[in-house]
Amino acid sequence: SQQGEEDPQALSIQEGENATMNCSYKTSINNLQWYRQNSGRGLVHLILIRSNEREKHSGRLRVTLDTSKKSSSLLITASRAADTASYFCATDSNFGNEKLTFGTGTRLTIIP
Amino acid sequence: DVKVTQSSRYLVKRTGEKVFLECVQDMDHENMFWYRQDPGLGLRLIYFSYDVKMKEKGDIPEGYSVSREKKERFSLILESASTNQTSMYLCASRGPRDFNQPQHFGDGTRLSIL
Repeated sequence: SQQGEEDPQALSIQEGENATMNCSYKTSINNLQWYRQNSGRGLVHLILIRSNEREKHSGRLRVTLDTSKKSSSLLITASRAADTASYFCATDSNFGNEKLTFGTGTRLTIIP
Repeated sequence: DVKVTQSSRYLVKRTGEKVFLECVQDMDHENMFWYRQDPGLGLRLIYFSYDVKMKEKGDIPEGYSVSREKKERFSLILESASTNQTSMYLCASRGPRDFNQPQHFGDGTRLSIL
């Protein structure tokens, strides 16, 4: 499997419910980032969590990081129709280069 | 806000043509990146540049080259376009060599090679 692999691949929920997406990775990291991509558009950065952090909040977003399990989760609370998008995690390794490694994404659909 | 602008949203070219994709950022970022995005494969790094005239290969550089003559501009070149290069191409930039910064993306160029 790829570094930064999201689970599930697709998720459909009712508006107002919470959405949880998971990401697993393989190598040691400096940080892990989550991005959103609306259909046909570029990626928008949502939140970054450093390797020494365990949880981070930004508005309706909550990200957790478990470096012992090499996994992260993104929780979107009180979902809205505008949250419909693809969500990607990306890992920034600690091997000293500029490269981010992206997963294949979770397609989230919010049903009004 | 950082703005990353890709010259075309949609582009159609023919097999064998030399294709130029242009990307400009307005935040004086040192680092710029080219990715391609294909269904089921996520984003794959083609090339990146950490300074003017500097470049490094990413995961899939074959069939591509890049040019960084000015700090704000990073060009991706398909030397002889082939149908398997039909894809969504995304450009990104990032600030100084500080690993705790996000990348900022353009809106992408959807390239079709016929």
